[in-house]
Amino acid sequence: AQSVTQLGSHVSVSEGALVLLRCNYSSSVPPYLFWYVQYPNQGLQLLLKYTSAATLVKGINGFEAEFKKSETSFHLTKPSAHMSDAAEYFCAVSSSGNSGYSTLTFGKGTMLLVSP
Amino acid sequence: SQTIHQWPATLVQPVGSPLSLECTVEGTSNPNLYWYRQAAGRGLQLLFYSVGIGQISSEVPQNLSASRPQDRQFILSSKKLLLSDSGFYLCAWSVWGRALSYEQYFGPGTRLTVT
Repeated sequence: AQSVTQLGSHVSVSEGALVLLRCNYSSSVPPYLFWYVQYPNQGLQLLLKYTSAATLVKGINGFEAEFKKSETSFHLTKPSAHMSDAAEYFCAVSSSGNSGYSTLTFGKGTMLLVSP
Repeated sequence: SQTIHQWPATLVQPVGSPLSLECTVEGTSNPNLYWYRQAAGRGLQLLFYSVGIGQISSEVPQNLSASRPQDRQFILSSKKLLLSDSGFYLCAWSVWGRALSYEQYFGPGTRLTVT
């Protein structure tokens, strides 16, 4: 079964600093991986996805993630944090549900705190 | 473009009361539909998904049920709410099919508080 581990329930950075949110996955098949962002009391918004085309994936709002098969990782980065990046971030891996159709298995999320 | 709606946005219900949450999708046909529950510090838990009208798969046994009476409508129900049913309920859709590369698009959510 597929699973996702996000290291660190909270990450704090200063505005302008590098953002690094960690995600490790477990998958018995070639994985498809996703990062989502959630602002308070809102739904999840897709940041980027990896579907085996390129190991470095660029997403919205200046975020990118690199797929490393040898490390089973898909860490999310942004060179310079903005105050507006403060939100909760979820890593997810695609898998087959009971009926054989795709479902997403999510990590527990990492809350990004950005200080001035 | 596609849009997903959920209502109500917030709901406060007493223990033992019934529940009905609705989700509708616009701008696409025959989507896969999903219900998730989000509890604080526990990430997202997939509750149900549907690949077509009347076709429901349950991922977690509990006192909730789901129905899909129309192609783009997905309803989450309960006959008697428990305190543990409190949480943030999210509906999502994806393009129909078995491909694992399909991303899901989420609605704005419903905050349910059971008192």
